[in-house]
Formats: sequence, C-alpha cells, structure tokens
Amino acid sequence: EADIYQTPRYLVIGTGKKITLECSQTMGHDKMYWYQQDPGMELHLIHYSYGVNSTEKGDLSSESTVSRIRTEHFPLTLESARPSHTSQYLCASSEYGADDTDTQYFGPGTRLTVL
Amino acid sequence: AQTVTQSQPEMSVQEAETVTLSCTYDTSESDYYLFWYKQPPSRQMILVIRQEAYKQQNATENRFSVNFQKAAKSFSLKISDSQLGDAAMYFCAYGSGNTGKLIFGQGTTLQVKP
Repeated sequence: EADIYQTPRYLVIGTGKKITLECSQTMGHDKMYWYQQDPGMELHLIHYSYGVNSTEKGDLSSESTVSRIRTEHFPLTLESARPSHTSQYLCASSEYGADDTDTQYFGPGTRLTVL
Repeated sequence: AQTVTQSQPEMSVQEAETVTLSCTYDTSESDYYLFWYKQPPSRQMILVIRQEAYKQQNATENRFSVNFQKAAKSFSLKISDSQLGDAAMYFCAYGSGNTGKLIFGQGTTLQVKP
C-alpha cells in the first residue's frame, strides 16, 4: 500500500547530539516537505524539495538541514540538538502534475524532545 | 504574502448535529487550492476535503462540505451528522498553484459531545 513513513515516532535526546529524522514515501511523489508543529499550533514549513538533488528552505527559519538523494527519501538532520528544537516534525509529499497536483499527504510525525 | 485565519480556536457540537468551521484567507494569486485537514490527538494529519479556486461548485465529501466564497476569500467547512470520531483539530490550508507550498491556519479544536 502506498504510504508515507516517518521514523522514529518519538525521540528523547540530550543537548548537543546529532539526530536524523527519517521520512520515506512509496507513492512516487516528486515533491516532499518538512513542517514543524508545536503542540496545538499551526504547521510551519521548514524545508521542501521538488525532486532529487533539489532542496529549499521554507518560510520558518530552521537550523536543520535536509537532503534528497533518492525520490522516496527525504531525511532531516540536526547537527547539534538544543532544547529549542523540541517540537513535532511532520513530513509530507505531493505529486507534481498529476490529478491530485499539490495535495499533500502527511506522515505520522516525529515528536522530538531535547533535554 | 498569503495568510490564512481561523478565528475559532475551539468549537463544540452535539453528536448527530451540524457544525461549521470558519476560515478566511488572503492572496493575490489567481491559481490556488484550499484544503481542510483533520488532525486527531496524537494521530496522523489526514485530508478532509479540497477545493480548486477556479471551480465555482462547492466540494463535498460524504458528510463534509465547504462553502467557498471566492470574492469574500472565505472557505468554511460544514460537518453534518457529527460523529464522535470527528473530534480533532481541523486546519484550513492555502495551497499555491505556483509552488505547491501550503500555508496553514491556526487550527480549530472540535469537540463532539455524546
């Protein structure tokens, strides 16, 4: 079944650690996105990609980085985690140019806590 | 820049009744989409309904329908025959036809009372 996956679902880590949040989709979508969402608040776009080797920063400034080496994989990395990075991170993907153009489908999210 | 405003932080509805969630947006683009997403507590964000701006007919998905007023830049969601499983946070979102990027509203938490 075509879907979008995120791992880990929950992560508690100490300050200064390097972390990578994984996002994979089996829908063959060209576009992928990372959002940051604090509890009970709106989503803010932090990174997006329109295809392999294409990455752009979103509307909300973030110290994280992303890469897009394969169509299905869009990992997000924090080189040195800080308590201010504590949040939920949602990954999404959408198809470019198909019937459902620009309809984003979301993964289950990773809830990150930095101590 | 595009903005999305949901002016109702919380709403409640009795089971089996109808509730309407409000959303307004601002844009200078002519090509865009509007969405309602549902986010149950600690669960995945799912698409409820979508509306292309060029379509005059309001979108409908089973018990969910929208009232799209393009001139007023209003996009409300009506939920009929509310069910306990409808309890969630609902986000209105604007999608640019040029970039595909989404701008989200602040969200409305819907409580369904048995």
